[in-house]
Amino acid sequence: LAKTTQPISMDSYEGQEVNITCSHNNIATNDYITWYQQFPSQGPRFIIQGYKTKVTNEVASLFIPADRKSSTLSLPRVSLSDTAVYYCLVMDSNYQLIWGAGTKLIIKP
Amino acid sequence: GAGVSQSPRYKVAKRGQDVALRCDPISGHVSLFWYQQALGQGPEFLTYFQNEAQLDKSGLPSDRFFAERPEGSVSTLKIQRTQQEDSAVYLCASSSPGGGLGTEAFFGQGTRLTVV
Repeated sequence: LAKTTQPISMDSYEGQEVNITCSHNNIATNDYITWYQQFPSQGPRFIIQGYKTKVTNEVASLFIPADRKSSTLSLPRVSLSDTAVYYCLVMDSNYQLIWGAGTKLIIKP
Repeated sequence: GAGVSQSPRYKVAKRGQDVALRCDPISGHVSLFWYQQALGQGPEFLTYFQNEAQLDKSGLPSDRFFAERPEGSVSTLKIQRTQQEDSAVYLCASSSPGGGLGTEAFFGQGTRLTVV
């Protein structure tokens, strides 16, 4: 099972673009990269998922280089409500996911 | 239903008491997962069901923990003779039919268990 490494915490300001990078050096060929967001007292919420290159949805973009050993979650023009913990996971053809401690993102006014 | 529902939201148990935590997954979701989340940590896998079959229970921390999903929908996580170290948030997640590659898992709000 691929293990992920991401910064423990990050600060930014409202209106800025925030990029959170995750490393997953032993990712396997069939693995997907998935990001979740978690607010206090809530269950994690799916943000975005990708396999390679770039994926964009209404809330975020995910950049994955050719070697797939890392990925970057990009949150455009963050607001105070984006303050949360962000988890990077590698999801394979099995079901078991390994969750790290995540990145605690604090957005300041 | 509209989402994954867990009950109760909060549970306080005296040490040694048995507890049962319930999860109602999204209707039609084949896969169901239980996780334990300690304060400030990421979720840790406990067990996995595909329909009514418990395919993996390797994450259950002891034989005091037991999970079932008898009809392939609602699941119950039971903890016998609770200990203080069992205090955590217990999260349930379900995913769409197949539950394979590229599948999004939907989480409930969790049950916060406090053992006193």
